[in-house]
Amino acid sequence: AQSVTQLDSQVPVFEEAPVELRCNYSSSVSVYLFWYVQYPNQGLQLLLKYLSGSTLVKGINGFEAEFNKSQTSFHLRKPSVHISDTAEYFCAVSDRGSSNTGKLIFGQGTTLQVKP
Amino acid sequence: DGGITQSPKYLFRKEGQNVTLSCEQNLNHDAMYWYRQDPGQGLRLIYYSQIVNDFQKGDIAEGYSVSREKKESFPLTVTSAQKNPTAFYLCASSLQGSMNTEAFFGQGTRLTVV
Repeated sequence: AQSVTQLDSQVPVFEEAPVELRCNYSSSVSVYLFWYVQYPNQGLQLLLKYLSGSTLVKGINGFEAEFNKSQTSFHLRKPSVHISDTAEYFCAVSDRGSSNTGKLIFGQGTTLQVKP
Repeated sequence: DGGITQSPKYLFRKEGQNVTLSCEQNLNHDAMYWYRQDPGQGLRLIYYSQIVNDFQKGDIAEGYSVSREKKESFPLTVTSAQKNPTAFYLCASSLQGSMNTEAFFGQGTRLTVV
């Protein structure tokens, strides 16, 4: 079964510093990969997604992620964070299998804490 | 504006009661999903539906029930059999039969047992 591991439960960082949130998934079969952001007591908002093609994916709010098939990783990066980036971030994978249910398997989440 | 609406935002339930969480979407999506969120555990799939009048159990379906009588609506009932129902519940929808499996989420319902 698919699984997603977010390697850090909390990432504290100072404002304007770069950040990387790490994500690894278990399956070697073709997958779709997503990063979502959640602000307190709200739903999830899509940051970016990898479906195929270029392994470097750019998303909203200056975030980007790189798909690495050999390492089964999809790490999220931002070169300079703002206080407003403080939120919980979820990595998710969807199986490209024939059933195409669209089900997402989520990681445990990483709380990004941006300090002034 | 198209989107997903969950109601209520906050819900309190007494022990032994059933409660129903509402989820409505006007995105014309075929697939709808219910996830449960607990601190430190990410999101776990409760039920999903790919088409009207059909639904499947997810990873933690015990103590929950759903219906899908209309394309736009996918209500979730938390029954008295669910031993630990206090959580944040998220409804989502996505296009079906498409390369784009991006899911769109509602704002969530926070259920508390009192």
